[in-house]
Order: sequence, then C-alpha cells, then structure tokens
Amino acid sequence: DTAVSQTPKYLVTQMGNDKSIKCEQNLGHDTMYWYKQDSKKFLKIMFSYNNKELIINETVPNRFSPKSPDKAHLNLHINSLELGDSAVYFCASSTGTIEETQYFGPGTRLLVL
Amino acid sequence: GEDVEQSLFLSVREGDSSVINCTYTDSSSTYLYWYKQEPGAGLQLLTYIFSNMDMKQDQRLTVLLNKKDKHLSLRIADTQTGDSAIYFCAESKRSNYQLIWGAGTKLIIKP
Repeated sequence: DTAVSQTPKYLVTQMGNDKSIKCEQNLGHDTMYWYKQDSKKFLKIMFSYNNKELIINETVPNRFSPKSPDKAHLNLHINSLELGDSAVYFCASSTGTIEETQYFGPGTRLLVL
Repeated sequence: GEDVEQSLFLSVREGDSSVINCTYTDSSSTYLYWYKQEPGAGLQLLTYIFSNMDMKQDQRLTVLLNKKDKHLSLRIADTQTGDSAIYFCAESKRSNYQLIWGAGTKLIIKP
C-alpha cells in the first residue's frame, strides 16, 4: 500500500545508454514531480506535471523527458546518459491544491560509469 | 527572486533542543514546510504551517513563523539519536505547483 513508489531502486549503467525510471502514486493526486538530488544533497526540481500540463525547469537538458501514460504514473526517460547524471532521483506527488503537500517516493540511485 | 536559505549543519547534544532556522524571500508564500530525510531514504513531510499562523506545535516539534522577517524555525525538543537527518525547509507558491526548497540542514546528534 505504498503511496509513491519508484522502480528501480538502484540503477548502474554505462555512459551513453538510455534508461527509464518509473513512478507510480496511488493517492489519487493530480500533480507529479521529478527531483534530482546531487551528492551534496541539494534538491532540484526537474519537472512538474498536472493534468497534461508540463512545467519544465529550463536548466534540465533535453536528454531528460517525462512521460505520463495516466494520472497515476510519471516516468522519467534519460537518453545518452552522462557521468554528471549520477544522482538520486525522487518522484513526488501532490493534490495540486493550495496546500501542495508533496509526498515523496523512496528515490532511485543512478550511477553512470 | 525566489530563495530559501538554511544553515548546512547543526550539532546538538542528545536531550537538548534543536532549533533549525530558515529564511525565505517570497512574502506571497501560502504554506511553509519542513521535510525530513533520513540517511538513504526519501523525503518525509514532518510538518507544515499556513502563512497566516505564527506557531504550530505537534508533540516534540514546534514551528515558529515570523512573516514580517520571513523567518521560519523548527524546534525539536529532547533531541534523540533518531532525529539525525537532513531537514529541508520549503515554501509553496500560489501561482504554480512548485515548492521552493532550501539546501537542507544536517542535524548531528552528539552523545
């Protein structure tokens, strides 16, 4: 009965590969997010997605693309992985209302070799 | 501009009170949050306060909001080793669905 789940939990891959991280929420929330947390623990929002409206952080390279097959899922595709993409990626969701409390997944630890 | 600032580290003795501070710049923020991240884990909502309140208490946690100075604090009474974590302050914006995050304060507990 996990609220926000992500798979895989760990991902080790070679530079240049394409990979996907999946996220699912069973909270009935309208808004989902992807965050990147670097080795210094700084948390940076990458995307937010609400009712088919995508808000992109303009600093995110276009190698990263979110895909939302339905309201409960927001997957993250990464093309041509680079060493600097190594980080922990968190998915989150919220009601999208004024309260905007976000519920986080456990994170996916990506290591690019 | 949008900015949320926190000290990166706080060290306290077990049993003492911890006070983690945060300053923000956007006076139109609606909610302010404290999230906790334990080692190797995701972020967990600890507590939040609506911008028209100045204090909220929940067991060992007390949140104080000084809207005039745009200052938010989290006080943890009787700090325990299980409180060791990184504490993130965040503010919400009415205009979009994003939270603005601080860099996180790592709370270190000394025996």
